Amino acid sequence: QKEVEQDPGPLSVPEGAIVSLNCTYSNSAFQYFMWYRQYSRKGPELLMYTYSSGNKEDGRFTAQVDKSSKYISLFIRDSQPSDSATYLCAMRITGGGNKLTFGTGTQLKVEL
Amino acid sequence: DAGVIQSPRHEVTEMGQEVTLRCKPISGHDYLFWYRQTMMRGLELLIYFNNNVPIDDSGMPEDRFSAKMPNASFSTLKIQPSEPRDSAVYFCASSLARRLASDTQYFGPGTRLTVL
Repeated sequence: QKEVEQDPGPLSVPEGAIVSLNCTYSNSAFQYFMWYRQYSRKGPELLMYTYSSGNKEDGRFTAQVDKSSKYISLFIRDSQPSDSATYLCAMRITGGGNKLTFGTGTQLKVEL
Repeated sequence: DAGVIQSPRHEVTEMGQEVTLRCKPISGHDYLFWYRQTMMRGLELLIYFNNNVPIDDSGMPEDRFSAKMPNASFSTLKIQPSEPRDSAVYFCASSLARRLASDTQYFGPGTRLTVL
């Protein structure tokens, strides 16, 4: 079993929809949680990060962490065609030397 | 800043040939990471360096893979001999450790390797 599990999709939604992307993990030592966005044929870029449990909001994006359930989510409100990309969750432990463990990514397509 | 630079962007080679991928991290960054991405396995960490020293190479699949970082501005990932199952996109990333949760890894554009 992988340390981080993520539904690969693809996920197709209409423009304006609310999107929910999720990851589960097995290592309770993970403390830092990130979401990366990867456009086609590009490298991943950091979208959001959170530390430990709780919510964080940035514009149309909200990241949630539930450490008790080992479950993290990324919500996208009012989705736009420009949000079409692969979203990868990533996490690391404290003192892990910046080493990240990634999920396999969920491919999202927002259609007009 | 130009960001992380990788070369070549595309590489097509035949089985058994040596392949060398190159990376120039962002100036001033002290961590460098090599990843491999495939549809089946996603993004896998192969090896990472801190201040030019390899810290963790547990992700290197086998002895055919080797990585070096001779100085703070250059790293190579070598595959010798290459095999068709090595076909993937290889990413280099760099970061600056400031003991913050937001220590971001900045990724290069990747090298798309095809081994025939």
